[in-house]
Amino acid sequence: DAGITQSPRYKITETGRQVTLMCHQTWSHSYMFWYRQDLGHGLRLIYYSAAADITDKGEVPDGYVVSRSKTENFPLTLESATRSQTSVYFCASSEGGSVTGELFFGEGSRLTVL
Amino acid sequence: AQTVTQSQPEMSVQEAETVTLSCTYDTSESDYYLFWYKQPPSRQMILVIRQEAYKQQNATENRFSVNFQKAAKSFSLKISDSQLGDAAMYFCAYRRSNAGGTSYGKLTFGQGTILTVHP
Repeated sequence: DAGITQSPRYKITETGRQVTLMCHQTWSHSYMFWYRQDLGHGLRLIYYSAAADITDKGEVPDGYVVSRSKTENFPLTLESATRSQTSVYFCASSEGGSVTGELFFGEGSRLTVL
Repeated sequence: AQTVTQSQPEMSVQEAETVTLSCTYDTSESDYYLFWYKQPPSRQMILVIRQEAYKQQNATENRFSVNFQKAAKSFSLKISDSQLGDAAMYFCAYRRSNAGGTSYGKLTFGQGTILTVHP
C-alpha cells in the first residue's frame, strides 16, 4: 500500500545499545522529517532531509544520527540509547513545491530504553 | 525562532456542545501557515484544518473552524456539535511560507491539548 511506514512499531532496548528506527515512504516526497513526541513538549523536530544525501539538524538532534541514501528511506539511529530517549518517534514526509506543505505522518514508533 | 504555545493541557466538553481550543504563536514573519492536527489513541496524526496567514477569512471544515487573529498571533480551533470520536490530543502547528531551501516543510508544534468528550 502507498504511504509512509515505520518499523518497528514498538521497541524495548537497554541503555547503551544502538537502535535504528526505519521509515519508508512510497510517494517520492522530497522532504522527510523525524519528530519525537513527549508529554508536555508536543512534537519536536530531531532531523530533517530535503532530498537524498541532504540532511539537517532540527531542535533536538543530540544523540541521533540520520542518513538518506535513497529518497524513500530515512532511518533514524540512536547510537547509544539513553533513558531520556524513551519516547514516541514519528516520521513524516511532504512534497517539495507543495503550496500547503502538508506533512504526512507514519504511525509512530514507541521506544522504551531501560 | 518560532514558538507555538497551547496553554490548555486538557479540555472537556459534553457531546453535542461546542468547545474552543487555544493556540498562540510567535513569529516575525508575515507569511506562514497554521495547522491543527488531531491525534486519537491510535497515535495517527490527522490534519484537521489549515489556515494561510495571507487569507483574512477563517478556515472551516465541516464542524471544525478556526478563529485566526493575525495581529494577536492567535489561532483557536472551535469544534461544534462535539462527537465522541472527537476525543483526542490536538496539536497546533506553524510553518513558514514557501521560503525555499532545505528548511521547507518544517512544522513547529505546540504542546498539545487533550480533549475529552463526555456522553
